[in-house]
Amino acid sequence: DTGVSQDPRHKITKRGQNVTFRCDPISEHNRLYWYRQTLGQGPEFLTYFQNEAQLEKSRLLSDRFSAERPKGSFSTLEIQRTEQGDSAMYLCASSLGGQGSEKLFFGSGTQLSVL
Amino acid sequence: KQEVTQIPAALSVPEGENLVLNCSFTDSAIYNLQWFRQDPGKGLTSLLLIQSSQREQTSGRLNASLDKSSGRSTLYIAASQPGDSATYLCAVIGRTSGTYKYIFGTGTRLKVLA
Repeated sequence: DTGVSQDPRHKITKRGQNVTFRCDPISEHNRLYWYRQTLGQGPEFLTYFQNEAQLEKSRLLSDRFSAERPKGSFSTLEIQRTEQGDSAMYLCASSLGGQGSEKLFFGSGTQLSVL
Repeated sequence: KQEVTQIPAALSVPEGENLVLNCSFTDSAIYNLQWFRQDPGKGLTSLLLIQSSQREQTSGRLNASLDKSSGRSTLYIAASQPGDSATYLCAVIGRTSGTYKYIFGTGTRLKVLA
């Protein structure tokens, strides 16, 4: 078990381009979370999956954002028509779901810069 | 709506000092609280998890306490070392709209001077 892995570590793109990030959770974990973090702030919740079902999406997640978790394994987060305000660290986390008592494990994040 | 606040926002101490970081939350109906450490440009590492039925957790030089009724948690670091320099974040999880998500504070940036 190598923990939560995210790819790529860094992404630089031009405004208007589409980008996709990947997250591989710890293998037995059924819950997967996406967060966004800007400099000097705590992580902000974006969306969350239990197995393959996307159970909640934040209002921060505009219709340009879409996330999937096919077969309840890895997840992808796609941002279409990127804007400069999308520049942030995108963090993925996973946990073994219970009744909210589970420990959260984070990946190293994908740093997105939109020029 | 749950809000999490951390005080102070930044802290600088000499090596060897004991210190306390504070976390407060507005909705006491939480399942648990976690303290995390984040190094610059990196992801978060879980330090301690306190379930709602617990009052404290200890790991090495770290001790975290939880007072659900007053909406407060503290992280105590004993005999601080330069390697403790990082941002410390607390997060609470509570049932919202039938799902479970962690809400984070903005963190305390700690610098331990050699």
